[in-house]
Amino acid sequence: GQQLNQSPQSMFIQEGEDVSMNCTSSSIFNTWLWYKQEPGEGPVLLIALYKAGELTSNGRLTAQFGITRKDSFLNISASIPSDVGIYFCAGLNYGGSQGNLIFGKGTKLSVKP
Amino acid sequence: EAGVAQSPRYKIIEKRQSVAFWCNPISGHATLYWYQQILGQGPKLLIQFQNNGVVDDSQLPKDRFSAERLKGVDSTLKIQPAKLEDSAVYLCASSMREGSVYGYTFGSGTRLTVV
Repeated sequence: GQQLNQSPQSMFIQEGEDVSMNCTSSSIFNTWLWYKQEPGEGPVLLIALYKAGELTSNGRLTAQFGITRKDSFLNISASIPSDVGIYFCAGLNYGGSQGNLIFGKGTKLSVKP
Repeated sequence: EAGVAQSPRYKIIEKRQSVAFWCNPISGHATLYWYQQILGQGPKLLIQFQNNGVVDDSQLPKDRFSAERLKGVDSTLKIQPAKLEDSAVYLCASSMREGSVYGYTFGSGTRLTVV
């Protein structure tokens, strides 16, 4: 089945630093998504990417949909303590019954004030 | 807009017991999903409903797990009998239509511990 490889598994950074994480897949996706999950909550959508090569920003977050449609990265600039959480990439294919998301294993971000 | 509601938030049961989880999706969302999230992993789809019909249950362990969405609105997921490896967070999500990321929203989940 489809699998997503997400790296790094965890990051410990100082407040104000930039963060970069990425996700690769063995197969292509029509849509790449990045979620953040905080303890005791469900994943919350941060950015959705719909087209190969697309670069999208949401505040301090920037994400790109790889040209091959098999990878994506997420950057967080000038991190703050509330960025702490687990970041998941997810792939989605349209059409037929393929409405479910395939998730990576997550990147756990810790920010030291 | 109210989010996806799930209950209970936490449940502790002994192995071989039964348990049921409930989910009420966002009003008007035709598609409902149940995901299982084991500690340290990303969520994994168990079952997907379109209105009250099952679209995909290929990853549902049908010998012990069952789910229904009788009136095309709320849904229940049941485990009978539970095993230790079923300890996980069970997330419900809904979206406006099948295959669409628009409005795709997760609930807060039910954390199940099997002892």
